[in-house]
Amino acid sequence: GAVVSQHPSWVICKSGTSVKIECRSLDFQATTMFWYRQFPKQSLMLMATSNEGSKATYEQGVEKDKFLINHASLTLSTLTVTSAHPEDSSFYICSARDTRGLRGYTEAFFGQGTRLTVV
Amino acid sequence: AQSVTQPDIHITVSEGASLELRCNYSYGATPYLFWYVQSPGQGLQLLLKYFSGDTLVQGIKGFEAEFKRSQSSFNLRKPSVHWSDAAEYFCAVGARNTGNQFYFGTGTSLTVIP
Repeated sequence: GAVVSQHPSWVICKSGTSVKIECRSLDFQATTMFWYRQFPKQSLMLMATSNEGSKATYEQGVEKDKFLINHASLTLSTLTVTSAHPEDSSFYICSARDTRGLRGYTEAFFGQGTRLTVV
Repeated sequence: AQSVTQPDIHITVSEGASLELRCNYSYGATPYLFWYVQSPGQGLQLLLKYFSGDTLVQGIKGFEAEFKRSQSSFNLRKPSVHWSDAAEYFCAVGARNTGNQFYFGTGTSLTVIP
């Protein structure tokens, strides 16, 4: 399968600062990327869907001004948590798909996740 | 509406025993089904997937799953569980050829006792 690299794997930041999380597809072109948030002992909650070169589509209840998503290339998407607060502490996971099926598959591949702790 | 139900929040099995994790789905189109495993603090790893064809699919680590359209189910099985299988398991459903999201179940936490 393809590889999606997410960086950093963990980060601690002070309240009020911004944090950027990167999601890269290493060996395929990701036409679509998804950002999920996972609370402890819970499932993945989709935050937003981004298509390369387009604005991200946010799920209801997700603040687009707080969670800035950029998908400027077919191999990189970034999630920036702006003015982070302790309640933003969570596990964030990205996934990437090549919906064109150029590699013979269109499934989503997941990054390793980023543990964000805001203190 | 699209949804995935994993009825069992937590399962405990003895090492060497068989395992079945249940998954039921509701999806308006031809489903594209997955099982993922997540170890603590880690991302998701794909165990297996079903596109079409043979309804019994084999995955990694000795897992298999059977798609039953009549029951809208995609249960995960393993004949003999190993201690390293302890993890969180997620069932997901999505469309194959679109950029639409996958819908995840709430997960089943597996504990393996010696």
